[in-house]
Amino acid sequence: EAGVAQSPRYKIIEKRQSVAFWCNPISGHATLYWYQQILGQGPKLLIQFQNNGVVDDSQLPKDRFSAERLKGVDSTLKIQPAKLEDSAVYLCASSRNYEQYFGPGTRLTVT
Amino acid sequence: QKEVEQNSGPLSVPEGAIASLNCTYSDRVSQSFFWYRQYSGKSPELIMSIYSNGDKEDGRFTAQLNKASQYVSLLIRDSQPSDSATYLCAVTAGGTSYGKLTFGQGTILTVHP
Repeated sequence: EAGVAQSPRYKIIEKRQSVAFWCNPISGHATLYWYQQILGQGPKLLIQFQNNGVVDDSQLPKDRFSAERLKGVDSTLKIQPAKLEDSAVYLCASSRNYEQYFGPGTRLTVT
Repeated sequence: QKEVEQNSGPLSVPEGAIASLNCTYSDRVSQSFFWYRQYSGKSPELIMSIYSNGDKEDGRFTAQLNKASQYVSLLIRDSQPSDSATYLCAVTAGGTSYGKLTFGQGTILTVHP
């Protein structure tokens, strides 16, 4: 069974630029999550989708972050405009029940 | 008070010893508990899940859950240098949060030969 796929793996941008991340979950997993992990901390949930509907986006900075999951499969997370404090690893995870499986992540550096 | 708190590290144990990792949580209605292992530069990997009070064993790993005391622990027997990683405790919220996970800050484990 293929795991969660993410791209790109690394991204370096300047502040105020925009960036987008892509995620393809494990086949058959209805729930998809985006997390932000800052160095030395545990992952923090940004947004959770159930199929193509948003279940929880309470910690998503909606003035600059947006996410969508069209057709209940792939998802994209966008940041516009980026700030220095957005430098982190962005992790996508998916689950069929409560067990979540993570993709390799995208390491974002904002300069 | 942090929602999920792990024992501060780093934790260093000799090869072959038992490593004990602890986690406490604040939400009394939490129902599902997980341990993830994260190697440096890699993403978290699920190694144990536990849903009811007591012990759950999987190979060298044993998860222990005590809902009354709101703690969950992970024991690693016969620790190996390859077990050196950050261990993350994660807890699902109670109620209708659809499996939302809250993570602790992680405990760095080093197993030295």
